[in-house]
Amino acid sequence: DAGVTQSPTHLIKTRGQQVTLRCSPKSGHDTVSWYQQALGQGPQFIFQYYEEEERQRGNFPDRFSGHQFPNYSSELNVNALLLGDSALYLCASSWGTGNTGELFFGEGSRLTVL
Amino acid sequence: GEDVEQSLFLSVREGDSSVINCTYTDSSSTYLYWYKQEPGAGLQLLTYIFSNMDMKQDQRLTVLLNKKDKHLSLRIADTQTGDSAIYFCAFSLSGGYNKLIFGAGTRLAVHP
Repeated sequence: DAGVTQSPTHLIKTRGQQVTLRCSPKSGHDTVSWYQQALGQGPQFIFQYYEEEERQRGNFPDRFSGHQFPNYSSELNVNALLLGDSALYLCASSWGTGNTGELFFGEGSRLTVL
Repeated sequence: GEDVEQSLFLSVREGDSSVINCTYTDSSSTYLYWYKQEPGAGLQLLTYIFSNMDMKQDQRLTVLLNKKDKHLSLRIADTQTGDSAIYFCAFSLSGGYNKLIFGAGTRLAVHP
């Protein structure tokens, strides 16, 4: 049973560019959340997708956008990259939108912005 | 506001018990979590506790919740070198669509 998978694992971009990160949820899960983890800090909630719609959003600018596909996989897009966007981007999957204990994370995509 | 505080560092001897502490601000939280992160890796869900519970035990792990003081702890019995990692405490908000608020993490170092 595959867990949460993310791609790519590492990538390097320059300021002003755009990036797309991908996530496939754990089998049986239909909800995907994205988190940003800056170096030395805990993860911060970006947004959550359920039924192909953004359900809740954290304190991130509109440069951060996402999408969920009918197979429940998801993409995170970041436009006009800034140096401060350098971080580990984590995807988490769960079933439904309600609070449950079952929230699993992938290994992350490490983005470096030069 | 929503906040989680953890001590930054803990050093223990192999075979001893480790206790990692966490305090949180939100009294309406529903689930509280402990995640483990090894260098360069994602977050591994260790255990979680529902807010109406006081204690949960899972093999070497014991979670204690003091809701009155908004204090959560994770005890690891017989700590091994493989337990060396960063441990994150997190809570989910009531009706919060599984939005988790994380602490900054406690780095656990296990030495022989």
